[in-house]
Amino acid sequence: SQTIHQWPATLVQPVGSPLSLECTVEGTSNPNLYWYRQAAGRGLQLLFYSVGIGQISSEVPQNLSASRPQDRQFILSSKKLLLSDSGFYLCAWSDRVPGSQYFGPGTRLLVL
Amino acid sequence: RKEVEQDPGPFNVPEGATVAFNCTYSNSASQSFFWYRQDCRKEPKLLMSVYSSGNEDGRFTAQLNRASQYISLLIRDSKLSDSATYLCVVNVGRGSTLGRLYFGRGTQLTVWP
Repeated sequence: SQTIHQWPATLVQPVGSPLSLECTVEGTSNPNLYWYRQAAGRGLQLLFYSVGIGQISSEVPQNLSASRPQDRQFILSSKKLLLSDSGFYLCAWSDRVPGSQYFGPGTRLLVL
Repeated sequence: RKEVEQDPGPFNVPEGATVAFNCTYSNSASQSFFWYRQDCRKEPKLLMSVYSSGNEDGRFTAQLNRASQYISLLIRDSKLSDSATYLCVVNVGRGSTLGRLYFGRGTQLTVWP
């Protein structure tokens, strides 16, 4: 069966510091991968998606970036965090045929 | 206009009650439809897909009206464990392999004893 992992689970970072969140998927190959952010009391916002290694599409221009160095690895990064980057970051995967997505446990980020 | 709109609630119901959530979507090209459940401070989890003919999974019944672009979820015999936020989700196909999911902001349900 497929599983998706994210780490760390929680993170407290100062403004201006860098960020690296990692997501890995097991039990499937060539998945579509997604990064979402959910701010407190808000809906899910799609940040990036990827259909293959090195292929990244951005949905919202911001100070975040994403990379997919391996088929089942998706990384979310920032060079300098802003206060507004605080939120719940969720990685998700889906099969190549569009359908439902499955989420990892998320990383709760607080920027102070 | 938002892609997916839901009544945010909250809905507060006693155990055993029947509760219904509604959702509308704006893109007539939407291809597939889902309800997700999100517990407090947890990730969303797929509850069920929604089919045009309507479908049932135990106490949960989902309906889709493509003409009205309307989706519903009915929960019968509510349990305490049903307390969560329910997200209406629509997949708008784009390209050959990627479907863009649009999430409603969710409807909060609290079931009390």
